[in-house]
Amino acid sequence: DGGITQSPKYLFRKEGQNVTLSCEQNLNHDAMYWYRQDPGQGLRLIYYSQIVNDFQKGDIAEGYSVSREKKESFPLTVTSAQKNPTAFYLCASSATGGGNTQYFGPGTRLTVL
Amino acid sequence: DAKTTQPTSMDCAEGRAANLPCNHSTISGNEYVYWYRQIHSQGPQYIIHGLKNNETNEMASLIITEDRKSSTLILPHATLRDTAVYYCIVRSSSSPQGGSEKLVFGKGTKLTVNP
Repeated sequence: DGGITQSPKYLFRKEGQNVTLSCEQNLNHDAMYWYRQDPGQGLRLIYYSQIVNDFQKGDIAEGYSVSREKKESFPLTVTSAQKNPTAFYLCASSATGGGNTQYFGPGTRLTVL
Repeated sequence: DAKTTQPTSMDCAEGRAANLPCNHSTISGNEYVYWYRQIHSQGPQYIIHGLKNNETNEMASLIITEDRKSSTLILPHATLRDTAVYYCIVRSSSSPQGGSEKLVFGKGTKLTVNP
């Protein structure tokens, strides 16, 4: 939080529809991350980007896509190929370089009906 | 695959100090200890981090043992708004080659501050 915004806070979609989650930061951070959190579980990394126009798969990238056309923005698309999309999605950012602190947005709770 | 061990839950009276322990017996020399907390349905909030020395900021203090195998997060005067899940995380001070700087969150400690 503090300079990272995610919208919307709650999102409902029908099964089979693609949906895009927004993440914006004004911290001038080069690196941005998307995590997924399921009830009672820790965070799992979906995608990350260390610089504009470049991104890498995390541990659970299947069924998701991202873009990084601007430094401030890192949208995540949950596609119909994602088997269990209902979850709490968290975006984070940090300065690049080893060990820099990651700061999180408020999250988007996606429910697929 | 969290590298830390924390108690599942703790209680604390409002106004008293909350001391949250964390074991990280396999920590290596270049790894920091980070603390985050997550209030229900919100994003994790960064609290503090340290390498060897004790650290203090406006939110909390971090005490790291001399052998660095354990640490304690101290909230000096807990309030009801400090009720949250607290995560202790160990992470490297350098970027992994070819990899990401993902944070590995374990189950954390559910701290309940009681009136």
